[in-house]
Amino acid sequence: AQSVTQPDIHITVSEGASLELRCNYSYGATPYLFWYVQSPGQGLQLLLKYFSGDTLVQGIKGFEAEFKRSQSSFNLRKPSVHWSDAAEYFCAVGNQAGTALIFGKGTTLSVSS
Amino acid sequence: DAGITQSPRHKVTETGTPVTLRCHQTENHRYMYWYRQDPGHGLRLIHYSYGVKDTDKGEVSDGYSVSRSKTEDFLLTLESATSSQTSVYFCAISEKSGPYEQYFGPGTRLTVT
Repeated sequence: AQSVTQPDIHITVSEGASLELRCNYSYGATPYLFWYVQSPGQGLQLLLKYFSGDTLVQGIKGFEAEFKRSQSSFNLRKPSVHWSDAAEYFCAVGNQAGTALIFGKGTTLSVSS
Repeated sequence: DAGITQSPRHKVTETGTPVTLRCHQTENHRYMYWYRQDPGHGLRLIHYSYGVKDTDKGEVSDGYSVSRSKTEDFLLTLESATSSQTSVYFCAISEKSGPYEQYFGPGTRLTVT
């Protein structure tokens, strides 16, 4: 069965520092991968997606993610974090035959000044 | 932002009462989903719809029913609310089925006392 693991429940990063949020998936074939961000009291916003092709994908708000098949990972990165990036981040996976996305449990990002 | 609204945004109800949550979209997307979000669980699929009058169950469908009589509206009903259904409910829409990106509404916070 498909699954998504986000190993870090909570991460604190200093403003201006780099960020990497981890995501590991379990799926036999090539997965379709997504990162969403949720600000407090808001719905989820799509940051980026990977379907195929270039393993480094660019998203909105300066985020990028790299698909590594050998590690079953799809980690989210940002070179310089801003205070407004404080939010909860969700990794999700889907497959061609699926009807919905499978979400990880999320990582809460705090940004310190 | 995708045109998705949810109503009500907040609701407090008593155990045993019926509750209906509404999701309305203006994007004319065929696929609509209801998720619930709980701390430590991420998002879990309740029900989804693949067209008018076409619905199916998700991972956590017990105690919930849905209806879709128009493309733009997807209703989630709790026939007899229980405290375990206290949660934040999100509606999502997608143009295509399977692994394609989904766009989320702002959520409904439901408290069952």
